[in-house]
Amino acid sequence: GAVVSQHPSRVICKSGTSVKIECRSLDFQATTMFWYRQFPKKSLMLMATSNEGSKATYEQGVEKDKFLINHASLTLSTLTVTSAHPEDSSFYICSARDLQRNTGELFFGEGSRLTVL
Amino acid sequence: AQSVTQLGSHVSVSEGALVLLRCNYSSSVPPYLFWYVQYPNQGLQLLLKYTSAATLVKGINGFEAEFKKSETSFHLTKPSAHMSDAAEYFCAVTPGGATNKLIFGTGTLLAVQP
Repeated sequence: GAVVSQHPSRVICKSGTSVKIECRSLDFQATTMFWYRQFPKKSLMLMATSNEGSKATYEQGVEKDKFLINHASLTLSTLTVTSAHPEDSSFYICSARDLQRNTGELFFGEGSRLTVL
Repeated sequence: AQSVTQLGSHVSVSEGALVLLRCNYSSSVPPYLFWYVQYPNQGLQLLLKYTSAATLVKGINGFEAEFKKSETSFHLTKPSAHMSDAAEYFCAVTPGGATNKLIFGTGTLLAVQP
């Protein structure tokens, strides 16, 4: 299957700092990537849809200025958590579709666990 | 709007017993349906998918699911559970098409007892 890679897998930061998480599609091009957030023992909550070359589309209740998304190329999307607070600690997962396959299937990255002290 | 309901946040079975994880969906258009598995601190791995072809779908690791339009269900089954099947399972729906977002159910944690 198609491969999506996230980096870093784990990050610990101090409150007030910003953290960037990268999501790469390694063997296909993705005009659209999706960022999810997963709370402990909870389902995945879609945060935003990242669109290559244009602004991301955020879900209701997600702060755009807090979670900055950039999709500058067909293989890379980044999520920056700005001025992080302890409540931002979570497991963030990105995903992408290989449009050439056209199966609707999402391929997921390994996830990035953010801990804000 | 699309939504997914997974009945039972925790399911426990004995090794060798039948696994049945329930999923009901709501969709105003013909849906694509998926089951994903997640092991601790990892991303999601696709088990199987329904995309309007055969209603009985076979996936990896011996899992299968049947799309029943009349019941709006897509339950996941496996005849004989293995210890390695212990994980979190997510049902997901998307309206047909390659660019639509995936909506997940709340997940079912499967425990397998020796």
